[in-house]
Amino acid sequence: SYVLTQPPSVSVAPGQTARITCGGNNIGSKSVHWYQQKPGQAPVLVVYDDSDRPSGIPERFSGSNSGNTATLTISRVEAGDEADYYCQVWDSSSEMSVFGTGTKVTVL
Amino acid sequence: EVQLVESGGGVVRPGGSLRLSCAASGFTFDDYGMSWVRQAPGKGLEWVSGINWNGGSTGYADSVKGRFTISRDNAKNSLYLQMNSLRAEDTALYHCARGGYSSGWYWFDPWGQGTLVTVSS
Repeated sequence: SYVLTQPPSVSVAPGQTARITCGGNNIGSKSVHWYQQKPGQAPVLVVYDDSDRPSGIPERFSGSNSGNTATLTISRVEAGDEADYYCQVWDSSSEMSVFGTGTKVTVL
Repeated sequence: EVQLVESGGGVVRPGGSLRLSCAASGFTFDDYGMSWVRQAPGKGLEWVSGINWNGGSTGYADSVKGRFTISRDNAKNSLYLQMNSLRAEDTALYHCARGGYSSGWYWFDPWGQGTLVTVSS
């Protein structure tokens, strides 16, 4: 089955840029979606179809996808961005959704 | 406001059964595929099952195939998950989510708060 790999943790100072990677075999050929999950809360979609933002999501959240790596970028990081982040794709060969392993973002 | 509210969770013995429900409101339910996603305590997200808009197409994770059945009742704006032969490893918070099983709409938005299933003797 298709595997998505994320770094377990990323630390970033307020005002700086956080980049969260999501690795998968030829992931550039798939559409990647990203979720933010704060403690005790349900996940929230922050980027879909590689780089589109749902309404209400700040422009500070952006995405890219090429080759074997997709990236979620959070610019001008704020304390409120501290959360777990998950990537997700639809694997058409197995007809299943797959989630990444998750990345905990810590704001220093 | 789009809202998804799950119910039906609880404590069940290994080998037992449970039926989860998800009540949807604030959108045209039969315009969307729907999904169940679970999260074991302290772990990551795992897709469990999805269903298309009219129930004519369904899919399951390998870990639940043959034991779980997803269904929907568009007249009642409701999604269901029948869980049989439950195992300890099925212990998780089960979220209902809009999307994830429709062509061109493979993301999940929004999510319900979840209902907790605990499988324990």
